[in-house]
Amino acid sequence: DAKTTQPPSMDCAEGRAANLPCNHSTISGNEYVYWYRQIHSQGPQYIIHGLKNNETNEMASLIITEDRKSSTLILPHATLRDTAVYYCIVDKYNQGGKLIFGQGTELSVKP
Amino acid sequence: DTGVSQDPRHKITKRGQNVTFRCDPISEHNRLYWYRQTLGQGPEFLTYFQNEAQLEKSRLLSDRFSAERPKGSFSTLEIQRTEQGDSAMYLCASRDSDGKNIQYFGAGTRLSVL
Repeated sequence: DAKTTQPPSMDCAEGRAANLPCNHSTISGNEYVYWYRQIHSQGPQYIIHGLKNNETNEMASLIITEDRKSSTLILPHATLRDTAVYYCIVDKYNQGGKLIFGQGTELSVKP
Repeated sequence: DTGVSQDPRHKITKRGQNVTFRCDPISEHNRLYWYRQTLGQGPEFLTYFQNEAQLEKSRLLSDRFSAERPKGSFSTLEIQRTEQGDSAMYLCASRDSDGKNIQYFGAGTRLSVL
């Protein structure tokens, strides 16, 4: 079973920041938080990952709480092309590496 | 880097027929994964290879399913005696052997069993 909990759906206005929450209260010390997204009719796409520090790349920012029990993915200026299902996944570093997907959050960016 | 490619993109078959899907991973990636995704659900892990060795299989992978990666490059997933419940998107992903679990997915093969 997935070890994360996400809201099933969210809306965001185009140009505004999209903040997608994820609860992972049972995360262990050596597990990373990964975010992937899946645009309709495409395969999932890696976005970002982190352990305990906040991370930023060209796609998004990841904010992990100090106790590591939750995180937020931030898309700073959402566009219509960011409409997708966003998956939050926890996984140990350097393991075999099957990804365990939950239901994800369906983000709709509206004009 | 041409990404992960899967062939065919769509397959329609009749119940009881055999089907085979192909996945070509990113060339330097030694790990290859197969997932299955049904409508409204997240992808579910089926099996994975490190080079040519099949290291893990899910309970979802019944005896009718077989996967190979004979030379550690491309992989095939065969389903024998297809059933309507096999209708799904079959996704392939690959990654390299560093510690980060960044998997690159293909666009998938959508199977419809009539």
